[in-house]
Amino acid sequence: EPEVTQTPSHQVTQMGQEVILRCVPISNHLYFYWYRQILGQKVEFLVSFYNNEISEKSEIFDDQFSVERPDGSNFTLKIRSTKLEDSAMYFCASRTSGSRDTQYFGPGTRLTVL
Amino acid sequence: SQQGEEDPQALSIQEGENATMNCSYKTSINNLQWYRQNSGRGLVHLILIRSNEREKHSGRLRVTLDTSKKSSSLLITASRAADTASYFCATYIIQGAQKLVFGQGTRLTINP
Repeated sequence: EPEVTQTPSHQVTQMGQEVILRCVPISNHLYFYWYRQILGQKVEFLVSFYNNEISEKSEIFDDQFSVERPDGSNFTLKIRSTKLEDSAMYFCASRTSGSRDTQYFGPGTRLTVL
Repeated sequence: SQQGEEDPQALSIQEGENATMNCSYKTSINNLQWYRQNSGRGLVHLILIRSNEREKHSGRLRVTLDTSKKSSSLLITASRAADTASYFCATYIIQGAQKLVFGQGTRLTINP
């Protein structure tokens, strides 16, 4: 069964460093998402991406964040200058073109900012 | 309270018993979905119920939706130790884009 994959599973970085989190969505999906979950808290929406552009972003998704689909398979989230409060689990999700259909989530990348 | 609030926050039962978790939301929705998350792991989609549906079954899972009360429940029958996880409801609101809004989750522990 196709699934969303994410790499790395765990990333440790120093405050102020740039990180790139990678995702490979399910191949025939057209909508892509990033969510994050700070330890012990709820899953929060960051950004949605469709047709090679951002369709919606949350207040969390400030100028330090960017997303890209550099090729036909990868979907990346970049944090330019990480802060301590960026430490969280970051989930990528994708879905087909059906309106408000199921989003399939990857296993997540645990980001630890020291 | 915010969109998608689960109740209870934590639930501990014996293996074989049924587990019921509730979710309330504030705005009108297109559909409501339940996800499971094992400790520190990813989110696994369990079931989706649309706003025009009242009940849905999938294996040992039963989901109900009451749009008049803006609430949903997830029932897991004949629980197993492997059902130990956090369970989240998530909604697509009618207005706005295609993002899911998650609740705080219910931490379910099944004791052998």
